Amino acid sequence: GDSVTQMEGPVTLSEEAFLTINCTYTATGYPSLFWYVQYPGEGLQLLLKATKADDKGSNKGFEATYRKETTSFHLEKGSVQVSDSAVYFCAYRGSTLGRLYFGRGTQLTVWP
Amino acid sequence: DGGITQSPKYLFRKEGQNVTLSCEQNLNHDAMYWYRQDPGQGLRLIYYSQIVNDFQKGDIAEGYSVSREKKESFPLTVTSAQKNPTAFYLCASSMIEGQSGELFFGEGSRLTVL
Repeated sequence: GDSVTQMEGPVTLSEEAFLTINCTYTATGYPSLFWYVQYPGEGLQLLLKATKADDKGSNKGFEATYRKETTSFHLEKGSVQVSDSAVYFCAYRGSTLGRLYFGRGTQLTVWP
Repeated sequence: DGGITQSPKYLFRKEGQNVTLSCEQNLNHDAMYWYRQDPGQGLRLIYYSQIVNDFQKGDIAEGYSVSREKKESFPLTVTSAQKNPTAFYLCASSMIEGQSGELFFGEGSRLTVL
């Protein structure tokens, strides 16, 4: 069935380091793909999205490219900041209209 | 401002008691969802509704109930049949068509069973 596999954390980086969080999915057709971010004690916020193959989503210095050939949507940022410390979730929209399938989340901690 | 409001933010319950979590949205979205979040397990879908007076079970519906009497409201009841109800509960909404299915989330409700 449909599923999302996300790199397990926690991930600990120094400020200005390069970030990659891997995400792969199993689904039929051409799903829409998302990255959400969750700060402590809060709900999820959409970080970026891509709706078709080869699309690149970007926001706040984060980027992810929809790779259909590898069924991946890896999240990257060239230089992380302390304020990026949060939990990041990869998700895709499955065959059921509107329903999103989420990965398990990756905890990122950035030290000054 | 448009958004999703969940209440209460924190809730304590004794074993054997039912509790209802409120979720209201003013985004004019058709679909609403309830997710449960536990440490290390990501988000799991409890129930969802795509239209008023209709809803479907998600992956972990046992011990929960919902209603959708109004488009803007989707309350979740955690019943005494739910064996391990302590968790963080997230409500979300989306349009059915367009916007690529993006979900908008509330701030969450943390339920603790004493």
